[in-house]
Amino acid sequence: AQSVTQLGSHVSVSEGALVLLRCNYSSSVPPYLFWYVQYPNQGLQLLLKYTTGATLVKGINGFEAEFKKSETSFHLTKPSAHMSDAAEYFCAVSGSNAGGTSYGKLTFGQGTILTVHP
Amino acid sequence: KAGVTQTPRYLIKTRGQQVTLSCSPISGHRSVSWYQQTPGQGLQFLFEYFSETQRNKGNFPGRFSGRQFSNSRSEMNVSTLELGDSALYLCASSTTAGGRSPLHFGNGTRLTVT
Repeated sequence: AQSVTQLGSHVSVSEGALVLLRCNYSSSVPPYLFWYVQYPNQGLQLLLKYTTGATLVKGINGFEAEFKKSETSFHLTKPSAHMSDAAEYFCAVSGSNAGGTSYGKLTFGQGTILTVHP
Repeated sequence: KAGVTQTPRYLIKTRGQQVTLSCSPISGHRSVSWYQQTPGQGLQFLFEYFSETQRNKGNFPGRFSGRQFSNSRSEMNVSTLELGDSALYLCASSTTAGGRSPLHFGNGTRLTVT
């Protein structure tokens, strides 16, 4: 079974400061990992994904994440926060069936609300 | 290319009634998944369809059902509504079944059960 833990339900940063949102996962198979962002009254928008290959993944809006297998982590970072980054962020891992084959269920973390102060 | 479209956006129902939610995936996407989002439980997987076949189902009671049509459009039905079914229901589509392809989400249907 898969699980995702996002450390910190709320993170507050100043505009221009580094954004770091933490995500740890557990998976019985090599994971596919995703970060999504949700703005109020909207669905989820994909920020970035890790499937295979390079462990440092770049996404939209200046975000990036690094897959660290030894730490089972996939933390999201952005060098300089912008007011428009204020939203809720979700880390997710793809599921797998009993045979270990990945399938389209995503297991989400509980989300981290990012607040950006002027 | 148009995104995932969910209708209606808002719905108010009474306990005991049933409801049908609709989802039109991105053109060319054959996989559709449904998720329930609540403040207490977060995002929970309901089911996944690919080429009109349910591939996987989450841990929800049988009152929750779905189907997918030949044009990949999907519907979700909840019968005998309970207060706890109040949630944002999100539909997502992807190009293939399986977790490698990212999900593209619609804006959801906000269901309120009174």
